[in-house]
Amino acid sequence: GAVVSQHPSWVICKSGTSVKIECRSLDFQATTMFWYRQFPKQSLMLMATSNEGSKATYEQGVEKDKFLINHASLTLSTLTVTSAHPEDSSFYICSARDGTGLGTQYFGPGTRLLVL
Amino acid sequence: KQEVTQIPAALSVPEGENLVLNCSFTDSAIYNLQWFRQDPGKGLTSLLLIQSSQREQTSGRLNASLDKSSGRSTLYIAASQPGDSATYLCAVRDGGATNKLIFGTGTLLAVQP
Repeated sequence: GAVVSQHPSWVICKSGTSVKIECRSLDFQATTMFWYRQFPKQSLMLMATSNEGSKATYEQGVEKDKFLINHASLTLSTLTVTSAHPEDSSFYICSARDGTGLGTQYFGPGTRLLVL
Repeated sequence: KQEVTQIPAALSVPEGENLVLNCSFTDSAIYNLQWFRQDPGKGLTSLLLIQSSQREQTSGRLNASLDKSSGRSTLYIAASQPGDSATYLCAVRDGGATNKLIFGTGTLLAVQP
């Protein structure tokens, strides 16, 4: 099946630094990619939707200046958490939707961010 | 606004039992519905995808049904095994302009050996 990778798988950083997370679709072209956030014992919350070559669409309550999303190619999207604070600590999961009629979404393995 | 609910929130069964997980959604105008599995600290694994025009999908010991009119889906797991222990999430893809995947609250399954 289709594979989506994320890098890094986990990161620890100091408060105030910026962290970049990469999401790649390895064997298919993803015209649309999604970024989710998951707190412990909770479900996934959609943060933003990005289409290749255009600006991301953010969900209500998600700060676009805080969570910068770039979708520069059909196989790569990045999420940058700017000036991270402890409350940004979470599990971030990206997802890529294939371009076929089924439109199945494939999910990355997630990135655990801990901000000290 | 689409809301997806899963019951039960947690389930513990002995090995070998057949079990059913439930998912309900408030807006029947969906494009498709997916069931996922998530192991602790890991990403999601897609199990089954049912298009809005379909009634069910099967994969091995898993069978998922969809009743769009009533806003319900079930995931049936036959002959459960300890390796099935995980959190199971259902998600509906909004049929409207937003086209988003909206997740349910999840069911934490523990299969006791």
